[in-house]
Amino acid sequence: GENVEQHPSTLSVQEGDSAVIKCTYSDSASNYFPWYKQELGKRPQLIIDIRSNVGEKKDQRIAVTLNKTAKHFSLHITETQPEDSAVYFCAARRQTDSWGKFQFGAGTQVVVTP
Amino acid sequence: NAGVTQTPKFQVLKTGQSMTLQCAQDMNHNSMYWYRQDPGMGLRLIYYSASEGTTDKGEVPNGYNVSRLNKREFSLRLESAAPSQTSVYFCASSEARITVYEQYFGPGTRLTVT
Repeated sequence: GENVEQHPSTLSVQEGDSAVIKCTYSDSASNYFPWYKQELGKRPQLIIDIRSNVGEKKDQRIAVTLNKTAKHFSLHITETQPEDSAVYFCAARRQTDSWGKFQFGAGTQVVVTP
Repeated sequence: NAGVTQTPKFQVLKTGQSMTLQCAQDMNHNSMYWYRQDPGMGLRLIYYSASEGTTDKGEVPNGYNVSRLNKREFSLRLESAAPSQTSVYFCASSEARITVYEQYFGPGTRLTVT
């Protein structure tokens, strides 16, 4: 099955700096890669996603890049703000799986310090 | 729209007791999922229902059963609770058709088994 590894497990950044989280996946047939943000005590929510036919996608201060050859994808947050403090999960969907079934990474706790 | 709702929000069980976690969605989604979230382990899929009338095992199904009651509702049952089932449980749903994969999560149920 698909295996998704996420690094680092914790990330502390100064406000205004950039944060980068990297995930690797094992199944080359995976074709959809979402990122979810979970604030303390809240539910996970989708913040950005990328499909296997695209190399990069941006949405304001967040961006995701995908390297299919190396089987890894990364989340980039620029100009970090205190409200970016949360746990971030990456996920991958195999093309052969039921449409919405994902394999999630273990999560990265991001702490933005003023 | 309420989105995805879960009951109860909190529950404490003694070892061996049973209970059912309820989940409902009002977005007319085809697929529904149950996850458990444990520190450092991300979101692990327990069971999912790709469409009304079908259910399948996920990554960690042992000790659980599910029922897809209708298109809106998907329940998770613990027949004989064990301390290892102490966790936060999230229900999610997705439209899950071609190119539409986003999962929407419920607020979670925090379960403690003593």
